[in-house]
Amino acid sequence: QVQLVESGGGVVQPGRSLRLSCATSGFSFSDFGMRWVRQAPGKGLEWVALIWHDGTTTYYADSVKGRFTISRDNSKNTVYLQMNSLRAEDTAVYYCAKGYRVVDIWGQGTMVTVSS
Amino acid sequence: QSALTQPPSASGSPGQSVTISCTGTSSDVGGYNYVSWYQQHPGKAPKLMIYEVTKRPSGVPDRFSGSKSGNTASLTVSGLQAEDEADYYCSSYAGSNVGVFGGGTKLTVL
Repeated sequence: QVQLVESGGGVVQPGRSLRLSCATSGFSFSDFGMRWVRQAPGKGLEWVALIWHDGTTTYYADSVKGRFTISRDNSKNTVYLQMNSLRAEDTAVYYCAKGYRVVDIWGQGTMVTVSS
Repeated sequence: QSALTQPPSASGSPGQSVTISCTGTSSDVGGYNYVSWYQQHPGKAPKLMIYEVTKRPSGVPDRFSGSKSGNTASLTVSGLQAEDEADYYCSSYAGSNVGVFGGGTKLTVL
């Protein structure tokens, strides 16, 4: 059974950092691209970041470029999202999701609240 | 990358059919056969319902179907059931690692 489990969310002050993790199981992790997607309270879905299966290529939404870094450890079947210089508008549920052109499995999400 | 355009709401009575549209451009919906549809119940993670325009993942009822014409994709839910009430999001690949979502449609079963 494919599982994605996010962790690392919480309440953080503006300008501070947070690192999210997504532990996966049930599939060949190193064969798939992985994405982070976020959803602000009461709002729609927003693609945040993508990393290729081998970690050689990453992509970021303009809203997070230069502040967020996606990475992966294929030996641990885990993908990460390092979030720096956090802003109030980064407040959202963050989902990790499996896939590149077709995203088929989502984690349950982890809430990030940026507030003073 | 601009978001895809979906109607904010749609509704139908049990047993009826409803179609939700998703309009993009030739750079996304019209340019690739990588349109997906996701169902999201309140407080839950999105669930893939349709991928590559018309394909259904295992376990998704055949009441759900997808299509595309030009720059507009559509999700049709036939034989509406109470549990189909949810938010629905379309998404398209747009080339060069870019993905784009629609704004979401709230489906109400009357």
